[in-house]
Amino acid sequence: GAGVSQSPRYKVAKRGQDVALRCDPISGHVSLFWYQQALGQGPEFLTYFQNEAQLDKSGLPSDRFFAERPEGSVSTLKIQRTQQEDSAVYLCASSATGVQYFGPGTRLLVL
Amino acid sequence: RKEVEQDPGPFNVPEGATVAFNCTYSNSASQSFFWYRQDCRKEPKLLMSVYSSGNEDGRFTAQLNRASQYISLLIRDSKLSDSATYLCVANNNNDMRFGAGTRLTVKP
Repeated sequence: GAGVSQSPRYKVAKRGQDVALRCDPISGHVSLFWYQQALGQGPEFLTYFQNEAQLDKSGLPSDRFFAERPEGSVSTLKIQRTQQEDSAVYLCASSATGVQYFGPGTRLLVL
Repeated sequence: RKEVEQDPGPFNVPEGATVAFNCTYSNSASQSFFWYRQDCRKEPKLLMSVYSSGNEDGRFTAQLNRASQYISLLIRDSKLSDSATYLCVANNNNDMRFGAGTRLTVKP
């Protein structure tokens, strides 16, 4: 079956630009997670949804980061006024039973 | 200090070697544990869950020591295709904490 998909796969943004990253979870997966992975590091938790409810957003690094999942399926991570330090791979994962399955990620480069 | 710590390596081993990775976690409330594998420029993929009694999946053996808050992964008879970064994960109620990963290169 289809896995987690993310788009775009690559995004180059100018500093100050707003970006939106999309995640399509595995069908039927209630839980959805966003992570940020810097080069040479493990994924760092950003936020977590159960259906449409955002249960934990403690990992979002600043108020420029915003995530939503309005219908409990597709999720969007938005970053406003991007900064160079936002350059990273943004990974989405979904889960039904505790094990998380990751999408291919969006590689964001802020110039 | 990170919640999950791993030796970053790199580990460079010949084909057929046995290699062991260690990991420690600081949150004693962590309930479940995993090893993920991540190939270069790819997403992490679940390798195996880790159980208190220890568990084996083919050439891979995982161990958990809750008292020491220590997790290990043993790879026997390593293959070229085992070359990857191995991520240790401690999970507390959907709060998954990843180590920075241990890089393994298996050489012919």
